[in-house]
Amino acid sequence: LAKTTQPISMDSYEGQEVNITCSHNNIATNDYITWYQQFPSQGPRFIIQGYKTKVTNEVASLFIPADRKSSTLSLPRVSLSDTAVYYCLVVGAAGNKLTFGGGTRVLVKP
Amino acid sequence: GAVVSQHPSWVICKSGTSVKIECRSLDFQATTMFWYRQFPKQSLMLMATSNEGSKATYEQGVEKDKFLINHASLTLSTLTVTSAHPEDSSFYICSARDSGYGTGGIEAFFGQGTRLTVV
Repeated sequence: LAKTTQPISMDSYEGQEVNITCSHNNIATNDYITWYQQFPSQGPRFIIQGYKTKVTNEVASLFIPADRKSSTLSLPRVSLSDTAVYYCLVVGAAGNKLTFGGGTRVLVKP
Repeated sequence: GAVVSQHPSWVICKSGTSVKIECRSLDFQATTMFWYRQFPKQSLMLMATSNEGSKATYEQGVEKDKFLINHASLTLSTLTVTSAHPEDSSFYICSARDSGYGTGGIEAFFGQGTRLTVV
């Protein structure tokens, strides 16, 4: 399983864009990159997933360079409710276990 | 969207007793479910992989006799913490993927978690 490295924490302010970069140097050809969000005392929630280039949904964007050794989660115009821990995971075939790294604790200030 | 439900959301038990936590996939079938444990301010730690109709696969360092897993149907997995002690107090989370998808990289759904406190 490819190991991921991401910053421990980030602070931001309401209305700003937050970009979290994750390194996954050992990503395999068939692996996807997936991001989850977790609030205190809740299970993680899926945010976005991608294989290469750029993926965008109603919540976030995911940028993946050509070498796929890193990825950047972009949260546009964050609000206080976006304060959470964000996890980057490299995911293989369906049925494979998800291994969580340390995650990035994002604090959005007013 | 798909939902994974855990029950109970929280439980307090006396030291030495056993506690069962249920994990259900509400609108999809899951041949595999995963059980995690999370201590305060820490990441999720995978404990075991629950396989429908067969034995669970435990991660290194996780006692299989203490954390009994049963995956009797395609929508239900249970985790029983046997002879619980205060150090077993933690947040337990289950996860499942829809077995209907045959390709890789699909979304995993997580339960809301169970807060176990052993006194």
